[in-house]
Amino acid sequence: DAGITQSPRHKVTETGTPVTLRCHQTENHRYMYWYRQDPGHGLRLIHYSYGVKDTDKGEVSDGYSVSRSKTEDFLLTLESATSSQTSVYFCAISESTRQETQYFGPGTRLLVL
Amino acid sequence: SQQGEEDPQALSIQEGENATMNCSYKTSINNLQWYRQNSGRGLVHLILIRSNEREKHSGRLRVTLDTSKKSSSLLITASRAADTASYFCATEPAWGWGGADGLTFGKGTHLIIQP
Repeated sequence: DAGITQSPRHKVTETGTPVTLRCHQTENHRYMYWYRQDPGHGLRLIHYSYGVKDTDKGEVSDGYSVSRSKTEDFLLTLESATSSQTSVYFCAISESTRQETQYFGPGTRLLVL
Repeated sequence: SQQGEEDPQALSIQEGENATMNCSYKTSINNLQWYRQNSGRGLVHLILIRSNEREKHSGRLRVTLDTSKKSSSLLITASRAADTASYFCATEPAWGWGGADGLTFGKGTHLIIQP
């Protein structure tokens, strides 16, 4: 398995609170991605990073922000969590975005009450 | 918006039989990939086929790509109980077709192998 960890693995929080999810990789891959997975929607890209401090929005970025201060860490922040952000969040990495396989972390299950 | 659409949404077969899943997509692509997801786990890459390839094999997996029909199929031969999982196709849009970097995933086919 690619060296990708996510923390926490499970979290329950209340509406309106900030939440930060962490993705850590040991592969030194340049690209990192955050997806959410919901029944009936498959996986949808939230944000991605193509280098330290280089990030861009994905398909469903509203309500989320990201930061990447080190190659190995990619943080996803829900500024003010809403019930619609209850989901399973996956981090992925790839050496480059084109013609490359993505390797996924184990996921974080988030419940917003 | 969803690029790939898998068909069927669910498939149940007997162990030892072959399983075929299909994926249709909308735009020109650079490559198409298939991933497997076991319940409660992350996705695992199975196979990548480039737009200039028509067929690719990996063990018991066979993937075909028809760019004129914008479709792909994944065949798992001699299925095993351990093949029970959800299978997703993912496409990388070709240059000029816009969208964020990263793959666009379908909603998946849930495959159940009956022992």
